[in-house]
Amino acid sequence: EDKVVQSPLSLVVHEGDTVTLNCSYEVTNFRSLLWYKQEKKAPTFLFMLTSSGIEKKSGRLSSILDKKELFSILNITATQTGDSAVYLCAFETSGSRLTFGEGTQLTVNP
Amino acid sequence: GAVVSQHPSRVICKSGTSVKIECRSLDFQATTMFWYRQFPKQSLMLMATSNEGSKATYEQGVEKDKFLINHASLTLSTLTVTSAHPEDSSFYICSARFWESYNEQFFGPGTRLTVL
Repeated sequence: EDKVVQSPLSLVVHEGDTVTLNCSYEVTNFRSLLWYKQEKKAPTFLFMLTSSGIEKKSGRLSSILDKKELFSILNITATQTGDSAVYLCAFETSGSRLTFGEGTQLTVNP
Repeated sequence: GAVVSQHPSRVICKSGTSVKIECRSLDFQATTMFWYRQFPKQSLMLMATSNEGSKATYEQGVEKDKFLINHASLTLSTLTVTSAHPEDSSFYICSARFWESYNEQFFGPGTRLTVL
């Protein structure tokens, strides 16, 4: 059965800290891995990763995929209170279907 | 670009009634739309995939006669929760993609359904 596991489930840090969120997966028909940020409403897209070892960056956020070890990490440097959210990892299989992990609740305190 | 809207954003209904939720792609033609459900403190669970003009494909465990999906045009999909019960109370989110989006899905803002 396909599954995706995120860790930690919850994380509390202070502004300025760097955080690393983990996502491991087992899937039979992998196409891509995606990261989303969810605040009060629907998820907003962060990254789509398809190739192993290639880091994607967007400002203070970066992510990388390891297809051999079946995991991905999302890094956030110099965290701000506005980074507080649930970060969701999902993998895409055939037909563009997404299977989401439980998410990591990140709280950044001032 | 690539904006998806949902209506209503929030609905409260009595047990036994049916509720229709609309999902619209505002500035693109959505070849595929997806419906998700999210219970409190849980992640999104894919309910069904719908392609314009064809029947929806439901995920295992999702009752197709209870959750009716219609994707009548390239910009509109509807989800009807029939004979809703309190356990159907959840956050329902749709997403849409188009051919040129390279499989990226654009999410709507979600609909909070509360069944009394």
